[in-house]
Amino acid sequence: GESVGLHLPTLSVQEGDNSIINCAYSNSASDYFIWYKQESGKGPQFIIDIRSNMDKRQGQRVTVLLNKTVKHLSLQIAATQPGDSAVYFCAEKLKYIFGTGTRLKVLA
Amino acid sequence: NAGVTQTPKFQVLKTGQSMTLQCAQDMNHNSMYWYRQDPGMGLRLIYYSASEGTTDKGEVPNGYNVSRLNKREFSLRLESAAPSQTSVYFCASSEYSRQPQHFGDGTRLSIL
Repeated sequence: GESVGLHLPTLSVQEGDNSIINCAYSNSASDYFIWYKQESGKGPQFIIDIRSNMDKRQGQRVTVLLNKTVKHLSLQIAATQPGDSAVYFCAEKLKYIFGTGTRLKVLA
Repeated sequence: NAGVTQTPKFQVLKTGQSMTLQCAQDMNHNSMYWYRQDPGMGLRLIYYSASEGTTDKGEVPNGYNVSRLNKREFSLRLESAAPSQTSVYFCASSEYSRQPQHFGDGTRLSIL
């Protein structure tokens, strides 16, 4: 994890609980978003994507919600597991990845 | 293992030295990308290649050059390294030019 920001917002969640990670964007014309997971010492890993013509998309244990009115994305992880511990961040098309992400810590 | 392979994994350079970071993917993807990741800055796009034979600048291209050698390989070159280029560099690929889907594990570069 030494490659990401030193002052990441951190979300601590009890194992088995649901996690909600939030992301704000600024460009109202943005039409495609991706959520990534980055484990310590690894490159980002694609989790799920969503187009702007959708409000919600579900994957395996993950759901992404898109609120275009307030330019906000959220990633929901159901039944959080220790293996979900990582830094999560959202991205828009070919631009830089928003901010430094959110560190998710899963408590046993 | 299928995926994106970056070499080297670690490198220390002196200011002014040159260096080429190598990247190869075996997924037959059309698009490839180079990012840098710095503390407090997230990931920033340096260059990308939408398809073989094309390259375009990203957000922070100054001080870098790229070569899309063939469909598999996309290299990043630092002609005269500067301490500000100390970072972790990630190569990525995707089937189409929309957003990278597969990343390598990074090259950790320190410039003294």
